[in-house]
Amino acid sequence: DVKVTQSSRYLVKRTGEKVFLECVQDMDHENMFWYRQDPGLGLRLIYFSYDVKMKEKGDIPEGYSVSREKKERFSLILESASTNQTSMYLCASRGETSGYRTQYFGPGTRLTVL
Amino acid sequence: GESVGLHLPTLSVQEGDNSIINCAYSNSASDYFIWYKQESGKGPQFIIDIRSNMDKRQGQRVTVLLNKTVKHLSLQIAATQPGDSAVYFCAETPAPEYGNKLVFGAGTILRVKS
Repeated sequence: DVKVTQSSRYLVKRTGEKVFLECVQDMDHENMFWYRQDPGLGLRLIYFSYDVKMKEKGDIPEGYSVSREKKERFSLILESASTNQTSMYLCASRGETSGYRTQYFGPGTRLTVL
Repeated sequence: GESVGLHLPTLSVQEGDNSIINCAYSNSASDYFIWYKQESGKGPQFIIDIRSNMDKRQGQRVTVLLNKTVKHLSLQIAATQPGDSAVYFCAETPAPEYGNKLVFGAGTILRVKS
């Protein structure tokens, strides 16, 4: 019953490293999202994509980029990781016509930048 | 820098009691609201939703109440069980038919005592 998977549950990187977080969904959804989650701040949208090769900035895109070469895969890239990017990263996907009731989240990747 | 490590409000209830989790939203244009449940080590899961043309909606053991006058949303859980222990988030969006963006609250921790 796997729906949204993320490549790593835990990741430790050093300042300045390039970091790739991968997300894959098996529901043929058009829309995919990357959020970061910090205590007391809820989930904040970094980037989203509504189609292959399309992307839109969310509320906090600075320091991040994304790639969507295939419909099922949405990657979040930290070009040069910094300590303030230590966080939990959540990927989500949603169908174009199915609504938020079927927006599914992955289990999250907890990234620590040293 | 960012504010991280903020403490979430915590609600502790006895097993079998009813729980009420509250959420204040700020955007009077918000038209659609969702409650999510996030268990430890998992991504958020959809619980129940409500549109702004309603003031109450019931699901299985859960009820969402919406008071647009004071911009307040609540989630009531009847006969709370240990499996209800989680972080609960409210989320809002101005127009679910058009917007892809949800705005999340900070979350509330629910602890169920046996």
